[in-house]
Amino acid sequence: GQQVMQIPQYQHVQEGEDFTTYCNSSTTLSNIQWYKQRPGGHPVFLIQLVKSGEVKKQKRLTFQFGEAKKNSSLHITATQTTDVGTYFCAGFSGTYKYIFGTGTRLKVLA
Amino acid sequence: NAGVTQTPKFQVLKTGQSMTLQCAQDMNHNSMYWYRQDPGMGLRLIYYSASEGTTDKGEVPNGYNVSRLNKREFSLRLESAAPSQTSVYFCASGGYSNQPQHFGDGTRLSIL
Repeated sequence: GQQVMQIPQYQHVQEGEDFTTYCNSSTTLSNIQWYKQRPGGHPVFLIQLVKSGEVKKQKRLTFQFGEAKKNSSLHITATQTTDVGTYFCAGFSGTYKYIFGTGTRLKVLA
Repeated sequence: NAGVTQTPKFQVLKTGQSMTLQCAQDMNHNSMYWYRQDPGMGLRLIYYSASEGTTDKGEVPNGYNVSRLNKREFSLRLESAAPSQTSVYFCASGGYSNQPQHFGDGTRLSIL
């Protein structure tokens, strides 16, 4: 079945450093979504990418969708302590089902 | 505006007991979902309901049943709880198939 893998599993950075998480699907995706989950909280929707090669920015966050629509990345510039949490990608399989990646847990050291 | 409401927030069960997790949304969404989250495993889909009156299996449906009571409510039932079902359970709702999902606060379930 369809699989969505994320790397790295964990990342510790010093405040002010950049951070990137990568998402790879075993199949071509219709679209991909990104979510953030704070410790002890629930996933919160960040953004959706639909087009091949699409790039979207939200302040310090940059999201990319690969040309083949099988991979995606989230890059955070100059991390802050408020960026702490787990970042999930979720690939749409085409039948109302999103397959979530395993997540990347980000820890920011002040 | 409550969004997605899950009850209970915490529950401890003994092996073999049954219980139902409740979920309700007030966003008039057609689709609703149940996920479980285990450490290092991400979110795994248990069951989903694309619309009122329909339900379908996700990745890990064994040991669970669901009911889409009406457009607002989607419940998850454990008939005979097992320790392997210890997890955090999230309910989510969404609009059309490519719309964002909105999650509830989760139910932390421990089975002894």
